[in-house]
Amino acid sequence: GIQVEQSPPDLILQEGANSTLRCNFSDSVNNLQWFHQNPWGQLINLFYIPSGTKQNGRLSATTVATERYSLLYISSSQTTDSGVYFCAVSRYNTDKLIFGTGTRLQVFP
Amino acid sequence: KAGVTQTPRYLIKTRGQQVTLSCSPISGHRSVSWYQQTPGQGLQFLFEYFSETQRNKGNFPGRFSGRQFSNSRSEMNVSTLELGDSALYLCASSGTVNGYTFGSGTRLTVV
Repeated sequence: GIQVEQSPPDLILQEGANSTLRCNFSDSVNNLQWFHQNPWGQLINLFYIPSGTKQNGRLSATTVATERYSLLYISSSQTTDSGVYFCAVSRYNTDKLIFGTGTRLQVFP
Repeated sequence: KAGVTQTPRYLIKTRGQQVTLSCSPISGHRSVSWYQQTPGQGLQFLFEYFSETQRNKGNFPGRFSGRQFSNSRSEMNVSTLELGDSALYLCASSGTVNGYTFGSGTRLTVV
């Protein structure tokens, strides 16, 4: 099956810093999503981005499908950005999601 | 548009009991998927239902089952609970575009 690797596993930042999270996947996919898991466990959908670039406020994401990776950029980080960020992929839109192991981000004031 | 609703939020059960979790998808979404999250195994796919039919199943024992009703609401059931079933159970619904949207989850503790 498809393997999903995320890096780095842990990231500690001071408020205001920028960061880049990476997701590598081992096969072609038709669906790629970035999620933020909040302290209560809910997975918040950040981006649906099987290819191309999207931006939403301080967050942006880029997926290069031909090279099988995606990047999540967080600019001017805030303490509320803390949590675990997951990348998840599926081969086609109706297939199960395969999750990476996540990047745990801690932002300190 | 209301999101994905899971009930209950928290549950404590004793080994050997059974449990039923509920998930109401986003209005208009016909696909409902279930995932289990544990510290050791991460997020793992349990099963997916579409129009009341199981379309996909993960690698879990038969104690884990589910169903979907005509209004797209779904339930999952775990029988003969084991300590290792303690986990966060997440439900996701999907339309035709924009991927999956997850509910807040049910945190199950088996004692």
